[in-house]
Amino acid sequence: GAGVSQTPSNKVTEKGKYVELRCDPISGHTALYWYRQSLGQGPEFLIYFQGTGAADDSGLPNDRFFAVRPEGSVSTLKIQRTERGDSAVYLCASSLELAGGPDTQYFGPGTRLTVL
Amino acid sequence: AQSVAQPEDQVNVAEGNPLTVKCTYSVSGNPYLFWYVQYPNRGLQFLLKYITGDNLVKGSYGFEAEFNKSQTSFHLKKPSALVSDSALYFCAVRDSGGYQKVTFGTGTKLQVIP
Repeated sequence: GAGVSQTPSNKVTEKGKYVELRCDPISGHTALYWYRQSLGQGPEFLIYFQGTGAADDSGLPNDRFFAVRPEGSVSTLKIQRTERGDSAVYLCASSLELAGGPDTQYFGPGTRLTVL
Repeated sequence: AQSVAQPEDQVNVAEGNPLTVKCTYSVSGNPYLFWYVQYPNRGLQFLLKYITGDNLVKGSYGFEAEFNKSQTSFHLKKPSALVSDSALYFCAVRDSGGYQKVTFGTGTKLQVIP
């Protein structure tokens, strides 16, 4: 079946602009995660959704970042007033969150954001 | 706070030799542990996970990992390396105490030399 998809694959924007990054999870996956990966680093947790609600947003770096998942499927990560330091690859992952323990997270290919 | 350490930025191994990629972790409760692999210009792919039970976990592509609670380690191993195993490997941990946040290490580049 189809995996996690993310659009756009690349986004170049200017400092101060607003951007939206989209994630389409695997159908039926209730859990959705956003991560940010900077060059030479591992993925850094941003936010976790269970269904429509953000169950853990402790990784969002500041109030310029927020994410939504209004119907419990597609999610959008929104960044206001972008800064050069926001440049990174933004990864989305989804999983079935089983009662017996964490299920495997399946990652999308990422969106490479470049802020000039 | 939970954390993961991958002490080696790069591991070089000859094709056919056994390989080990090291990982140590820190969590306040019991850990859930994961290994992922990232090939150039491709997304992260799941290799294996430890939830509970047998300390030796077998995963994809012939990889395995051993959970050692006393040493707080979860080293990735393979008996015989292939050139195609060359990639970036990430260890990750999550606290089993109801928390969803997954913390990744900084990654280890594995280079298998023909």
